[in-house]
Amino acid sequence: SAVISQKPSRDICQRGTSLTIQCQVDSQVTMMFWYRQQPGQSLTLIATANQGSEATYESGFVIDKFPISRPNLTFSTLTVSNMSPEDSSIYLCSVLGADTQYFGPGTRLTVL
Amino acid sequence: GENVEQHPSTLSVQEGDSAVIKCTYSDSASNYFPWYKQELGKGPQLIIDIRSNVGEKKDQRIAVTLNKTAKHFSLHITETQPEDSAVYFCAENQAGTALIFGKGTTLSVSS
Repeated sequence: SAVISQKPSRDICQRGTSLTIQCQVDSQVTMMFWYRQQPGQSLTLIATANQGSEATYESGFVIDKFPISRPNLTFSTLTVSNMSPEDSSIYLCSVLGADTQYFGPGTRLTVL
Repeated sequence: GENVEQHPSTLSVQEGDSAVIKCTYSDSASNYFPWYKQELGKGPQLIIDIRSNVGEKKDQRIAVTLNKTAKHFSLHITETQPEDSAVYFCAENQAGTALIFGKGTTLSVSS
């Protein structure tokens, strides 16, 4: 199994600002993903974080709004840019292990 | 595109009863079907999974069944306990791709 940590665990931000979320995995993994979970909703895939190249974004998500970095096989960041109240969600890092997909504890973001 | 439908959205049972949650999918190429449990304030935790070459899998009080012809799979929890109360998500994917999730089922087990 993979152990995933995220920082921060939660934050309250003002609209128009940006927040960078960090994801650290305890082992090298090929594939890392970022999901968004809006209040009371399911998980929606934002993008696949590719090591050494630009992330692959899902429909409805763009790099300018959600820039992603993946400098190595154990670490990734997701930035939520120019935030609005609609960005209030839980943001989850996920990795593909040998047998299944594992999730971090999530970052609970509230935008005022 | 890919789509996973999950029913019911909420489920209330008495302690000791069984609970069944069903999901249907549309992509015939999907071959991996996990179930996750999410408790308040936590990330989703895998509880059981099944692959397309298997029809049923059981782990103590939890079982999953898969019907590839009909493209549906179900989670069965027997002898439910209050600590089973949580949101349950089904998901599916093909090897090497990100999971696509159902909308979730809020299970409440009352004692």
